[in-house]
Amino acid sequence: NAGVTQTPKFQVLKTGQSMTLQCAQDMNHEYMSWYRQDPGMGLRLIHYSVGAGITDQGEVPNGYNVSRSTTEDFPLRLLSAAPSQTSVYFCASYSRGLTGANVLTFGAGSRLTVL
Amino acid sequence: QQPVQSPQAVILREGEDAVINCSSSKALYSVHWYRQKHGEAPVFLMILLKGGEQKGHDKISASFNEKKQQSSLYLTASQLSYSGTYFCGTLKTSYDKVIFGPGTSLSVIP
Repeated sequence: NAGVTQTPKFQVLKTGQSMTLQCAQDMNHEYMSWYRQDPGMGLRLIHYSVGAGITDQGEVPNGYNVSRSTTEDFPLRLLSAAPSQTSVYFCASYSRGLTGANVLTFGAGSRLTVL
Repeated sequence: QQPVQSPQAVILREGEDAVINCSSSKALYSVHWYRQKHGEAPVFLMILLKGGEQKGHDKISASFNEKKQQSSLYLTASQLSYSGTYFCGTLKTSYDKVIFGPGTSLSVIP
């Protein structure tokens, strides 16, 4: 049981390049989400999904695309990277339990630098 | 809408107590608390549910005032291992996106 796996851990891009951050979980969690973390800004929600085929925008969705074709995977795409997207990205998921106590499990994070 | 946390930062000596507050302008179903060490992912501490009781874990406890949409995290007899950034996360319904506050940096010194 690996939990939430993010790849790559580190990435350097040039402005205008595209890339995909991968996120996979093996816990059969319905809910998956992406956050970005910048100094002093906390964890800001980019996109989230409540199940396969369903995605929605979070607090800072501009410049990012997502899709959820399977329960396990939730990739985050940057179509044309900008220096403002330099950040640490976290993927997190939880199971929709009966008690309503939905605890997020985080991946280890991906550090992205856009030059 | 992002919840508000206070204080932004706090420095404690070992053995001292601290309180971190989290408030929202929206009606909440639950409040989560997470701690993040430098360079690591956030780790779950506890969850407070609407209608639930005050939770506790070792010397860390928390409360949730549903009427005021406020939660407080209480750290007693702090240890060096308590150092890190504490985040509150809020949900408006039982199956909802989790919105985090900006975090409170806590440093415990000998």
